[in-house]
Amino acid sequence: TQLLEQSPQFLSIQEGENLTVYCNSSSVFSSLQWYRQEPGEGPVLLVTVVTGGEVKKLKRLTFQFGDARKDSSLHITAAQPGDTGLYLCAGNYNQGGKLIFGQGTELSVKP
Amino acid sequence: NAGVTQTPKFQVLKTGQSMTLQCAQDMNHEYMSWYRQDPGMGLRLIHYSVGAGITDQGEVPNGYNVSRSTTEDFPLRLLSAAPSQTSVYFCASSYGAKPFSGANVLTFGAGSRLTVL
Repeated sequence: TQLLEQSPQFLSIQEGENLTVYCNSSSVFSSLQWYRQEPGEGPVLLVTVVTGGEVKKLKRLTFQFGDARKDSSLHITAAQPGDTGLYLCAGNYNQGGKLIFGQGTELSVKP
Repeated sequence: NAGVTQTPKFQVLKTGQSMTLQCAQDMNHEYMSWYRQDPGMGLRLIHYSVGAGITDQGEVPNGYNVSRSTTEDFPLRLLSAAPSQTSVYFCASSYGAKPFSGANVLTFGAGSRLTVL
């Protein structure tokens, strides 16, 4: 059962455009993470959010955790070709040992 | 500092064969886990361990065994490979038994690509 729904699954945009990726669940997370993965490599952690309503910024990337801690979004401003990759959200429930991933968003930024 | 090392990087098996994917970390991490990644499915948790001698099942444990006899190593065993186990496998580790707080970072290996014919 897929507990985390990511959308869109694919996104192809031009350099300079803005975009938002969404991660939704019917369950409450104790924490949520966003990863970026490049071909042939493992995912790399971008950010962890733990508090409902929390907003974190990483240069041109803005991450938001929903007030109810059931959803999150990743917004990229003025996308660049170097942002191309697979973006994954991952949620932890009840602070247990399981980190469950969404199906990912494949982002392509064309020059 | 090698981080998380996975071997082999590529493997081709015939249906019914057995094999072990190796995972080793040199960061003294308590938490280790195995994921498989299939197109359109993201990463799915197979098994995880919060310390030596402790393992637990993830989302898709059937067909896989694990053990954690040392802090450093967390091998994943396929006892009788099936074509449905064709996938890219990732091992990941983190300092502390709860890797999901802001202070901890889940570090992934580079992956092992397995094909079962």
